[in-house]
Amino acid sequence: GAGVSQSPSNKVTEKGKDVELRCDPISGHTALYWYRQSLGQGLEFLIYFQGNSAPDKSGLPSDRFSAERTGGSVSTLTIQRTQQEDSAVYLCASSLKGGKRSYEQFFGPGTRLTVL
Amino acid sequence: GEDVEQSLFLSVREGDSSVINCTYTDSSSTYLYWYKQEPGAGLQLLTYIFSNMDMKQDQRLTVLLNKKDKHLSLRIADTQTGDSAIYFCAESRESGGYQKVTFGTGTKLQVIP
Repeated sequence: GAGVSQSPSNKVTEKGKDVELRCDPISGHTALYWYRQSLGQGLEFLIYFQGNSAPDKSGLPSDRFSAERTGGSVSTLTIQRTQQEDSAVYLCASSLKGGKRSYEQFFGPGTRLTVL
Repeated sequence: GEDVEQSLFLSVREGDSSVINCTYTDSSSTYLYWYKQEPGAGLQLLTYIFSNMDMKQDQRLTVLLNKKDKHLSLRIADTQTGDSAIYFCAESRESGGYQKVTFGTGTKLQVIP
């Protein structure tokens, strides 16, 4: 597709359940980022992928959070045993690595996660 | 660690100029950015400036950077109702071969017709 897509757009789950959030980056973008946007907060960096490897996962808030990327394309963010404080909008972004346009991240519309 | 701060809310009348301010702490920033987020949408890069520049103008947008004070501003001339959105200030620095971006909390711009 032309832009970054994310699914689902909305997810409501019960406390303690696991959830998987998906991100499809722009074709050809080797760098992929996950952020979390909570009400009244800025964007909190979670993890960065270059290809299939994650050289920076320093933003993952706990070991309940994990992410993977396969084929240098689609990425999945998994939250295990969800808690109410996990409720937020999860944004994915992708960019080129290196070159003149590497500074620009292209964002998807986000997945709004609500944990009841 | 890096920190980016901006006011949470700004209200202006249609046709007036809007000025959104931001301060950051990282002295090794490479780029500074302004992103726009419309309701229900992801962020869209509005404009950016290299850290060695003082000013950048792009149509109705003017970005001013005071590197000494670590202060960034975005001026929108002739503000329109379509400019109503959340504006995020951000800075990035080189980290392990990529630009690690730190975002502010966002400023919600309300344009009154």
